[in-house]
Amino acid sequence: GNSVTQMEGPVTLSEEAFLTINCTYTATGYPSLFWYVQYPGEGLQLLLKATKADDKGSNKGFEATYRKETTSFHLEKGSVQVSDSAVYFCALSDRGTDKLIFGTGTRLQVFP
Amino acid sequence: DSGVTQTPKHLITATGQRVTLRCSPRSGDLSVYWYQQSLDQGLQFLIQYYNGEERAKGNILERFSAQQFPDLHSELNLSSLELGDSALYFCASSVGPQNTGELFFGEGSRLTVL
Repeated sequence: GNSVTQMEGPVTLSEEAFLTINCTYTATGYPSLFWYVQYPGEGLQLLLKATKADDKGSNKGFEATYRKETTSFHLEKGSVQVSDSAVYFCALSDRGTDKLIFGTGTRLQVFP
Repeated sequence: DSGVTQTPKHLITATGQRVTLRCSPRSGDLSVYWYQQSLDQGLQFLIQYYNGEERAKGNILERFSAQQFPDLHSELNLSSLELGDSALYFCASSVGPQNTGELFFGEGSRLTVL
């Protein structure tokens, strides 16, 4: 079945460091891909999305490119801030079952 | 603020009991989704309702049930509770019946079963 695999956390960085959180997927067909963010004590929020191969989603300085050849959708940010500390979820929208399938989440901790 | 409201925020109960979690979707949204987030299972899709009708089913146990009312709010009923049901339960909403992946999540209801 369709699935999403994320790198284990926590990822610990100093402020202004470069961030990469890896995400790979297994899917039949061509799913849409998403990154959601969950700040402490809050629900998930959509961060960015890409609906087809080579699309780049971007928001709040975060970017991710839909790579069909490597079945990946890695999240990147050039310079993280303390306020970016949160749990990040990669997800795919399964067109066949109409379900949103989440990865296990990666906790990011940014220190000043 | 996502516009999705969940109550209660926290709930502590005993094994064997029954609880009801409530969700009001964002204004204008007709679909409601329920997810369970636990440390060992991650975020698991339970069930989706669209305009009062069940639309999709995920890993929902038979002890659990849900419904969506004419005013579009939804309730998730959890019965014969077990310790393993302790988790954060999220409600999410979207406009249409198709899950395009763009969901708006509430802040969750944290259930603790003792």
